[in-house]
Amino acid sequence: GAVVSQHPSWVICKSGTSVKIECRSLDFQATTMFWYRQFPKQSLMLMATSNEGSKATYEQGVEKDKFLINHASLTLSTLTVTSAHPEDSSFYICSARRYGAGSYEQYFGPGTRLTVT
Amino acid sequence: AQSVSQHNHHVILSEAASLELGCNYSYGGTVNLFWYVQYPGQHLQLLLKYFSGDPLVKGIKGFEAEFIKSKFSFNLRKPSVQWSDTAEYFCAVISTDSWGKLQFGAGTQVVVTP
Repeated sequence: GAVVSQHPSWVICKSGTSVKIECRSLDFQATTMFWYRQFPKQSLMLMATSNEGSKATYEQGVEKDKFLINHASLTLSTLTVTSAHPEDSSFYICSARRYGAGSYEQYFGPGTRLTVT
Repeated sequence: AQSVSQHNHHVILSEAASLELGCNYSYGGTVNLFWYVQYPGQHLQLLLKYFSGDPLVKGIKGFEAEFIKSKFSFNLRKPSVQWSDTAEYFCAVISTDSWGKLQFGAGTQVVVTP
């Protein structure tokens, strides 16, 4: 149990276009989902925290108008990279915290590789 | 500043050697501690976690970690590594001071040679 999926697994887009990445908890309900960014050979950096039915909370330095997050249901959160630029190329990973769980454990998706040309 | 520090960025060792990866954190309050592994081309997987109780926790694939509160440490160990343990290992901490957010260390790349 506790499987998180992401779609797409990789995407190539042209500079100036927008890309949407989906994160789904497949077999549990998630009160909270998180979006991370991972550069090559580096650790995961938290971009934002997303709670179902409310606005996402962004980390310092993350542009909320550029990285739009929607958490429409207890099993789905989306990240839209708007007006993408080559510097947005990265590995985007989501995680989900199980609804009703007493712990803070997060379950991670497989990640989405975004390349902006 | 609050942080999670992993002492080694890159470790190379032979099969059957013992592995120990250091992790220290600087958060106050109650902490939950995790070790994650990322195999080449795969997503993060939980190796083990500590929430409370016995400070020596055992995880999957023969890994264990010891929480030493006085040293703010949570070191990962495996007595005898295999080639398949080649991966990136991340220590992560959630504390009441970090508003429930998972903070990752920089990661340690472990390469096990046959």
